[in-house]
Amino acid sequence: EPEVTQTPSHQVTQMGQEVILRCVPISNHLYFYWYRQILGQKVEFLVSFYNNEISEKSEIFDDQFSVERPDGSNFTLKIRSTKLEDSAMYFCASRLAEVNEQFFGPGTRLTVL
Amino acid sequence: KQEVTQIPAALSVPEGENLVLNCSFTDSAIYNLQWFRQDPGKGLTSLLLIQSSQREQTSGRLNASLDKSSGRSTLYIAASQPGDSATYLCAASGGSYIPTFGRGTSLIVHP
Repeated sequence: EPEVTQTPSHQVTQMGQEVILRCVPISNHLYFYWYRQILGQKVEFLVSFYNNEISEKSEIFDDQFSVERPDGSNFTLKIRSTKLEDSAMYFCASRLAEVNEQFFGPGTRLTVL
Repeated sequence: KQEVTQIPAALSVPEGENLVLNCSFTDSAIYNLQWFRQDPGKGLTSLLLIQSSQREQTSGRLNASLDKSSGRSTLYIAASQPGDSATYLCAASGGSYIPTFGRGTSLIVHP
Protein backbone atom coordinates (compact mmCIF):
# COMPACT_ATOMS: atom_id res chain seq x y z
CA GLU A 1 0.00 0.00 0.00
CA PRO A 2 1.42 3.43 -0.92
CA GLU A 3 2.49 5.61 1.96
CA VAL A 4 3.99 8.99 2.73
CA THR A 5 7.61 8.79 3.85
CA GLN A 6 9.70 11.35 5.74
CA THR A 7 13.40 11.73 6.43
CA PRO A 8 15.12 12.03 8.77
CA SER A 9 13.08 10.51 11.58
CA HIS A 10 14.96 12.65 14.11
CA GLN A 11 16.98 15.82 13.53
CA VAL A 12 19.00 17.58 16.21
CA THR A 13 20.33 21.03 15.41
CA GLN A 14 21.79 24.09 17.07
CA MET A 15 19.74 27.26 17.36
CA GLY A 16 20.27 29.50 14.33
CA GLN A 17 21.09 26.64 11.97
CA GLU A 18 19.13 25.84 8.83
CA VAL A 19 17.29 22.53 8.56
CA ILE A 20 15.57 20.83 5.66
CA LEU A 21 12.93 18.22 6.34
CA ARG A 22 12.11 15.89 3.49
CA CYS A 23 8.95 14.14 2.46
CA VAL A 24 7.96 11.85 -0.38
CA PRO A 25 4.18 12.06 -0.83
CA ILE A 26 2.08 9.32 -2.39
CA SER A 27 2.93 9.36 -6.06
CA ASN A 28 -0.38 10.31 -7.69
CA HIS A 29 -1.41 12.83 -5.03
CA LEU A 30 -1.77 16.48 -5.95
CA TYR A 31 -2.09 18.32 -2.63
CA PHE A 32 0.72 18.46 -0.09
CA TYR A 33 0.83 19.73 3.46
CA TRP A 34 3.12 20.35 6.40
CA TYR A 35 1.92 20.29 10.00
CA ARG A 36 3.68 20.47 13.33
CA GLN A 37 2.88 19.11 16.75
CA ILE A 38 4.64 20.54 19.76
CA LEU A 39 4.92 17.92 22.50
CA GLY A 40 1.59 17.53 24.27
CA GLN A 41 -0.23 19.98 22.03
CA LYS A 42 -2.56 19.92 19.04
CA VAL A 43 -1.52 19.20 15.49
CA GLU A 44 -1.20 22.60 13.79
CA PHE A 45 -1.42 23.38 10.09
CA LEU A 46 1.61 25.13 8.58
CA VAL A 47 1.21 25.22 4.80
CA SER A 48 -0.51 23.63 1.84
CA PHE A 49 0.95 23.29 -1.64
CA TYR A 50 -0.76 22.63 -4.95
CA ASN A 51 0.27 23.03 -8.56
CA ASN A 52 3.79 24.05 -7.54
CA GLU A 53 2.77 26.90 -5.33
CA ILE A 54 1.62 27.62 -1.80
CA SER A 55 -2.18 27.65 -1.62
CA GLU A 56 -2.65 28.35 2.10
CA LYS A 57 -0.37 29.12 5.03
CA SER A 58 -0.91 29.74 8.71
CA GLU A 59 0.45 32.54 10.85
CA ILE A 60 3.10 30.12 12.09
CA PHE A 61 4.56 29.87 8.58
CA ASP A 62 6.57 33.09 8.62
CA ASP A 63 9.57 34.20 6.56
CA GLN A 64 11.79 31.65 8.29
CA PHE A 65 9.89 28.82 6.60
CA SER A 66 9.81 27.80 2.96
CA VAL A 67 8.60 24.80 0.99
CA GLU A 68 9.69 23.34 -2.29
CA ARG A 69 8.90 20.46 -4.60
CA PRO A 70 12.21 20.34 -6.41
CA ASP A 71 11.89 17.24 -8.55
CA GLY A 72 8.28 16.06 -8.79
CA SER A 73 8.62 13.52 -6.01
CA ASN A 74 10.18 15.20 -2.96
CA PHE A 75 8.44 17.89 -0.91
CA THR A 76 10.67 19.78 1.48
CA LEU A 77 10.23 22.14 4.41
CA LYS A 78 13.14 24.47 5.15
CA ILE A 79 13.59 26.41 8.35
CA ARG A 80 16.25 29.05 7.75
CA SER A 81 17.33 29.95 11.26
CA THR A 82 15.93 27.58 13.84
CA LYS A 83 14.68 28.74 17.22
CA LEU A 84 14.21 26.73 20.40
CA GLU A 85 10.45 26.95 19.95
CA ASP A 86 10.69 25.21 16.57
CA SER A 87 11.29 21.94 18.44
CA ALA A 88 8.34 19.74 17.50
CA MET A 89 7.22 16.80 15.40
CA TYR A 90 6.78 17.86 11.79
CA PHE A 91 4.32 15.87 9.70
CA CYS A 92 3.97 15.84 5.95
CA ALA A 93 0.64 14.81 4.41
CA SER A 94 -0.77 14.39 0.94
CA ARG A 95 -4.14 13.82 -0.68
CA LEU A 96 -5.36 13.05 -4.15
CA ALA A 97 -7.98 15.79 -4.20
CA GLU A 98 -9.36 18.25 -1.68
CA VAL A 99 -12.39 16.11 -0.93
CA ASN A 100 -10.30 13.05 -0.18
CA GLU A 101 -8.73 11.94 3.08
CA GLN A 102 -5.24 13.10 3.97
CA PHE A 103 -2.49 10.55 4.46
CA PHE A 104 0.22 11.44 6.93
CA GLY A 105 3.86 10.47 7.08
CA PRO A 106 5.51 9.15 10.27
CA GLY A 107 6.95 12.56 11.13
CA THR A 108 10.35 14.10 11.78
CA ARG A 109 11.18 14.95 15.36
CA LEU A 110 13.12 18.23 15.32
CA THR A 111 15.09 19.13 18.43
CA VAL A 112 16.67 22.58 18.55
CA LEU A 113 19.35 23.02 21.22
CA LYS B 1 -12.25 30.58 13.65
CA GLN B 2 -12.99 26.87 13.95
CA GLU B 3 -12.46 25.28 17.36
CA VAL B 4 -12.52 21.51 17.83
CA THR B 5 -13.01 19.95 21.25
CA GLN B 6 -12.72 16.28 22.14
CA ILE B 7 -14.25 14.70 25.19
CA PRO B 8 -13.11 12.85 27.21
CA ALA B 9 -9.42 13.81 27.20
CA ALA B 10 -8.50 10.39 28.52
CA LEU B 11 -10.28 7.07 28.89
CA SER B 12 -9.22 3.79 30.49
CA VAL B 13 -11.46 0.76 30.00
CA PRO B 14 -11.30 -3.02 30.29
CA GLU B 15 -11.05 -5.07 27.14
CA GLY B 16 -14.36 -5.84 25.44
CA GLU B 17 -16.19 -2.61 26.22
CA ASN B 18 -17.96 -0.59 23.56
CA LEU B 19 -16.70 3.00 23.52
CA VAL B 20 -17.91 6.39 22.35
CA LEU B 21 -15.46 9.20 21.71
CA ASN B 22 -16.89 12.66 21.19
CA CYS B 23 -15.81 15.52 18.96
CA SER B 24 -17.50 18.92 18.73
CA PHE B 25 -16.77 21.82 16.40
CA THR B 26 -17.90 25.43 16.60
CA ASP B 27 -18.37 26.23 12.89
CA SER B 28 -20.86 23.85 11.27
CA ALA B 29 -19.86 24.95 7.74
CA ILE B 30 -17.48 22.03 7.26
CA TYR B 31 -16.79 20.00 4.15
CA ASN B 32 -15.64 16.88 5.91
CA LEU B 33 -14.50 15.45 9.21
CA GLN B 34 -11.72 12.93 9.57
CA TRP B 35 -10.82 10.66 12.50
CA PHE B 36 -7.22 9.64 13.05
CA ARG B 37 -5.31 7.34 15.34
CA GLN B 38 -1.93 8.39 16.74
CA ASP B 39 0.38 5.99 18.56
CA PRO B 40 2.96 7.51 20.95
CA GLY B 41 5.73 9.28 19.03
CA LYS B 42 4.26 8.24 15.69
CA GLY B 43 2.38 9.74 12.79
CA LEU B 44 -1.35 9.91 12.20
CA THR B 45 -3.24 6.99 10.71
CA SER B 46 -6.48 7.86 8.96
CA LEU B 47 -9.42 5.85 10.29
CA LEU B 48 -12.54 7.33 8.72
CA LEU B 49 -13.50 10.33 6.60
CA ILE B 50 -17.07 11.61 6.64
CA GLN B 51 -18.13 14.05 3.95
CA SER B 52 -20.53 16.83 4.98
CA SER B 53 -23.34 15.18 3.01
CA GLN B 54 -22.92 11.88 4.88
CA ARG B 55 -24.26 10.88 8.28
CA GLU B 56 -21.86 8.05 9.09
CA GLN B 57 -19.02 5.85 7.94
CA THR B 58 -18.05 2.38 9.09
CA SER B 59 -14.83 0.41 8.97
CA GLY B 60 -14.65 -2.88 10.81
CA ARG B 61 -15.30 -2.26 14.51
CA LEU B 62 -15.29 1.51 13.99
CA ASN B 63 -18.28 3.68 13.23
CA ALA B 64 -18.19 7.44 12.95
CA SER B 65 -21.25 9.66 12.79
CA LEU B 66 -21.61 13.30 11.87
CA ASP B 67 -24.29 15.79 12.87
CA LYS B 68 -23.36 19.06 11.20
CA SER B 69 -26.28 21.03 12.57
CA SER B 70 -25.28 20.35 16.16
CA GLY B 71 -21.54 20.49 15.43
CA ARG B 72 -20.83 16.97 16.65
CA SER B 73 -19.18 13.77 15.58
CA THR B 74 -18.80 10.55 17.49
CA LEU B 75 -16.45 7.64 17.00
CA TYR B 76 -17.85 4.35 18.20
CA ILE B 77 -15.42 1.49 18.88
CA ALA B 78 -17.03 -1.89 19.34
CA ALA B 79 -15.56 -4.66 21.48
CA SER B 80 -12.41 -2.75 22.37
CA GLN B 81 -9.03 -4.54 22.40
CA PRO B 82 -5.67 -3.66 23.99
CA GLY B 83 -4.35 -2.94 20.47
CA ASP B 84 -6.85 -0.08 20.25
CA SER B 85 -4.84 1.82 22.86
CA ALA B 86 -3.75 5.09 21.23
CA THR B 87 -4.76 8.73 20.96
CA TYR B 88 -7.75 9.40 18.70
CA LEU B 89 -7.90 12.74 16.93
CA CYS B 90 -10.71 14.35 15.02
CA ALA B 91 -10.15 17.06 12.44
CA ALA B 92 -12.83 19.25 10.85
CA SER B 93 -12.16 20.80 7.44
CA GLY B 94 -13.91 23.98 6.34
CA GLY B 95 -13.93 26.11 3.20
CA SER B 96 -10.24 25.81 2.43
CA TYR B 97 -10.22 22.07 3.21
CA ILE B 98 -7.57 22.74 5.85
CA PRO B 99 -8.28 20.60 8.90
CA THR B 100 -8.53 21.96 12.42
CA PHE B 101 -7.55 19.31 14.94
CA GLY B 102 -8.79 18.58 18.41
CA ARG B 103 -6.44 17.70 21.27
CA GLY B 104 -7.44 14.06 21.09
CA THR B 105 -8.75 11.39 23.41
CA SER B 106 -6.06 9.19 24.94
CA LEU B 107 -7.45 5.65 25.16
CA ILE B 108 -6.06 2.79 27.21
CA VAL B 109 -7.69 -0.62 26.89
CA HIS B 110 -6.39 -2.98 29.54
CA PRO B 111 -6.60 -6.76 29.35
